[in-house]
Amino acid sequence: SQQGEEDPQALSIQEGENATMNCSYKTSINNLQWYRQNSGRGLVHLILIRSNEREKHSGRLRVTLDTSKKSSSLLITASRAADTASYFCATEGNTPLVFGKGTRLSVIA
Amino acid sequence: DAGVIQSPRHEVTEMGQEVTLRCKPISGHNSLFWYRQTMMRGLELLIYFNNNVPIDDSGMPEDRFSAKMPNASFSTLKIQPSEPRDSAVYFCASSPGSWFNITDTQYFGPGTRLTVL
Repeated sequence: SQQGEEDPQALSIQEGENATMNCSYKTSINNLQWYRQNSGRGLVHLILIRSNEREKHSGRLRVTLDTSKKSSSLLITASRAADTASYFCATEGNTPLVFGKGTRLSVIA
Repeated sequence: DAGVIQSPRHEVTEMGQEVTLRCKPISGHNSLFWYRQTMMRGLELLIYFNNNVPIDDSGMPEDRFSAKMPNASFSTLKIQPSEPRDSAVYFCASSPGSWFNITDTQYFGPGTRLTVL
């Protein structure tokens, strides 16, 4: 299965700190995406990184991809209480997106 | 754009009853996906359509589940008969992708929380 597995399962930090979440997967992929889910809501796309890219930025988000290690990381800098949510990586290979079980991030004000 | 619309938002039913969940994708999107989310199993892809045609329904758990997409602006997921283990949040998502580029950013609806007693 190409399902991504996020690590850690849960993360609690203080406002202003950086948050790093990791994703590992098992098979070759075309791209990897990160999504956010606020409690009781649907998932919202954050960023997509293609297999030939190593790093991508979007605002306070930084995503890296290491295809040799089959892993990706999502860094949220200067976290805010509003960043509290679950974060999912999703991998795309020969099938549509396959989602991991997510990292629950709590940012304490 | 109103985004992906799902109805109802909450559904409580008794075991054995038929349940129909509805989805209106974003206008112009070619692909539609149905997911189920539970704490134990995470987010599972049940079925996806491209240009109204079911492409892969291998994620549908049992014959009790069926999905249709009669036109580009409407899809249903039906469970008949429903069982308590079907309790979950069901999401519909759409994407602009076509059959040769079916994977693309997906736009999720707010979900339907189903409780089967």
